[in-house]
Amino acid sequence: NAGVMQNPRHLVRRRGQEARLRCSPMKGHSHVYWYRQLPEEGLKFMVYLQKENIIDESGMPKERFSAEFPKEGPSILRIQQVVRGDSAAYFCASSTQDSQTGELFFGEGSRLTVL
Amino acid sequence: SQQGEEDPQALSIQEGENATMNCSYKTSINNLQWYRQNSGRGLVHLILIRSNEREKHSGRLRVTLDTSKKSSSLLITASRAADTASYFCATLNTGFQKLVFGTGTRLLVSP
Repeated sequence: NAGVMQNPRHLVRRRGQEARLRCSPMKGHSHVYWYRQLPEEGLKFMVYLQKENIIDESGMPKERFSAEFPKEGPSILRIQQVVRGDSAAYFCASSTQDSQTGELFFGEGSRLTVL
Repeated sequence: SQQGEEDPQALSIQEGENATMNCSYKTSINNLQWYRQNSGRGLVHLILIRSNEREKHSGRLRVTLDTSKKSSSLLITASRAADTASYFCATLNTGFQKLVFGTGTRLLVSP
């Protein structure tokens, strides 16, 4: 049973370009979370999605950032017109539909570098 | 900010010693979880303690929870070099559907 798969693992973009980060949750998991981690810091919640629905996007900047989790295919975190401050590791995590504990299974992260 | 804080920020010990990390949080919780992160990797779930529990054990890990003080501690006994990692507490807050992570403790265990 494959774990949470994220790609790309590393992404380099120039200021103003777009970054697309993908996340395939564990098999059987229908809840996806995106977190952002700056160097030497903890994880900051960005967005929580279920299939075709955004449940909580309170941690996501209002501009330039968007997320989706379509009926088919991976969840996508999209950052438009990237700036240097977007450089970070972006982690995806998933959980089962009936999880009562909130335990999350994490991917290895996508590390975005903005030049 | 809902984010909790961990103490110490960094801890350096010798193999065989015990390591204790503390976590404080701000709101009412359903449970508190500890995760481990090796450098450059994702997080791995270690242990979960519910709000009505006071202590829990898993192998060399011991977690305590004091909801009156809004704090938790993680004890790793007989540490090994392979325990070197960052350790994060995370709370599932009452009424919310997401985990809120602390700032982490970087543990270095020297052979």
